Amino acid sequence: EDQVTQSPEALRLQEGESSSLNCSYTVSGLRGLFWYRQDPGKGPEFLFTLYSAGEEKEKERLKATLTKKESFLHITAPKPEDSATYLCAVQAGSGGYQKVTFGTGTKLQVIP
Amino acid sequence: EAGVAQSPRYKIIEKRQSVAFWCNPISGHATLYWYQQILGQGPKLLIQFQNNGVVDDSQLPKDRFSAERLKGVDSTLKIQPAKLEDSAVYLCASSLTGTGVKLAKNIQYFGAGTRLSVL
Repeated sequence: EDQVTQSPEALRLQEGESSSLNCSYTVSGLRGLFWYRQDPGKGPEFLFTLYSAGEEKEKERLKATLTKKESFLHITAPKPEDSATYLCAVQAGSGGYQKVTFGTGTKLQVIP
Repeated sequence: EAGVAQSPRYKIIEKRQSVAFWCNPISGHATLYWYQQILGQGPKLLIQFQNNGVVDDSQLPKDRFSAERLKGVDSTLKIQPAKLEDSAVYLCASSLTGTGVKLAKNIQYFGAGTRLSVL
């Protein structure tokens, strides 16, 4: 069974204090990894897709990287508006159907 | 471009009652997903439709949950009878395609969800 584990469960940062969120996975036949942001009372919002080990993507203060076993979401000099829950999801499988499995998320709080 | 629409936003019912949720996906999206998200957890896939056919319903509690997608567009998810443990947010998402090799087409766009409280 595919497993996706995110750590830490919660992270509290001072504004400007850089850090990283981790997403480790055990799947058969990884096809890709997605990062989403979820604000309270809203559905997840797409951030990045990573397809293969070594790939990196950036958007403003966020940078996502992928290895064969895990992905990191690096947050550089965060601002209070970056406070949210960050979810990763992996798409894996062979043949015509590749299932998407979500992790439990990391709740990030950035304090002014 | 309009996003994924869900209704109602909130619903409070008593256990053993029935409830239905409605979802209208983004126009042109072939794949529709229903997720259950319990507080503090990640979304758990309940059912995935490709057009109006079911691709995956392995985690749908079929003794009480049912879903349909008529004409490959709108979808409804029903719970009958509801249990206390069904209290959660029910999210609907859509993507251009859910089984293609090109992952860009598999990006899921989510609605705001329906928060269900079962008392």
